[in-house]
Amino acid sequence: SQTIHQWPATLVQPVGSPLSLECTVEGTSNPNLYWYRQAAGRGLQLLFYSVGIGQISSEVPQNLSASRPQDRQFILSSKKLLLSDSGFYLCAWSPVPNQPQHFGDGTRLSIL
Amino acid sequence: AQSVTQLGSHVSVSEGALVLLRCNYSSSVPPYLFWYVQYPNQGLQLLLKYTSAATLVKGINGFEAEFKKSETSFHLTKPSAHMSDAAEYFCAVTGTASKLTFGTGTRLQVTL
Repeated sequence: SQTIHQWPATLVQPVGSPLSLECTVEGTSNPNLYWYRQAAGRGLQLLFYSVGIGQISSEVPQNLSASRPQDRQFILSSKKLLLSDSGFYLCAWSPVPNQPQHFGDGTRLSIL
Repeated sequence: AQSVTQLGSHVSVSEGALVLLRCNYSSSVPPYLFWYVQYPNQGLQLLLKYTSAATLVKGINGFEAEFKKSETSFHLTKPSAHMSDAAEYFCAVTGTASKLTFGTGTRLQVTL
């Protein structure tokens, strides 16, 4: 069966520090991969998605970037974190477009 | 383009009462529709999906939803609420490749 791993579960970072969140999927190949951010009391905002290695689509211009160095690995990064980057970050995957997405357990990011 | 509107950011029901969470969608192509549930500090779990087969869709935990094209609705129901149903519920739509559009969520409270 397929599983998705996301880490760390929680992270506290100072303003201006770099960020790297990692997401990996097991048990499938060539998944579509997604990064979302969920701010307190708000819905999910799609940040990036990828349909293949090295293929990244950005939904919202911002302080973050994403990379897909391997088929089942998706990384969310920032060179300098802002206070507004605080939130709950979720990684998800789907086997093909228009199929349900399956979510990781999320990373709670707090910026001080 | 697709969009989702969830009416009511908070819904409170008594244990044993009917649960009704409303979702209206907009889509320029035949939609695929989903309901997800999120418990505190966790990722999203798929409850059910509509993918153009039967209009009444049954999901996990006793939930079901009915696709009504004429009303552009996909409301989520459960005949009898249980305390364990307290969570946040998200409706989502996709009609184009790769991307889901989520509603802002409805927090369900279940009281004794």
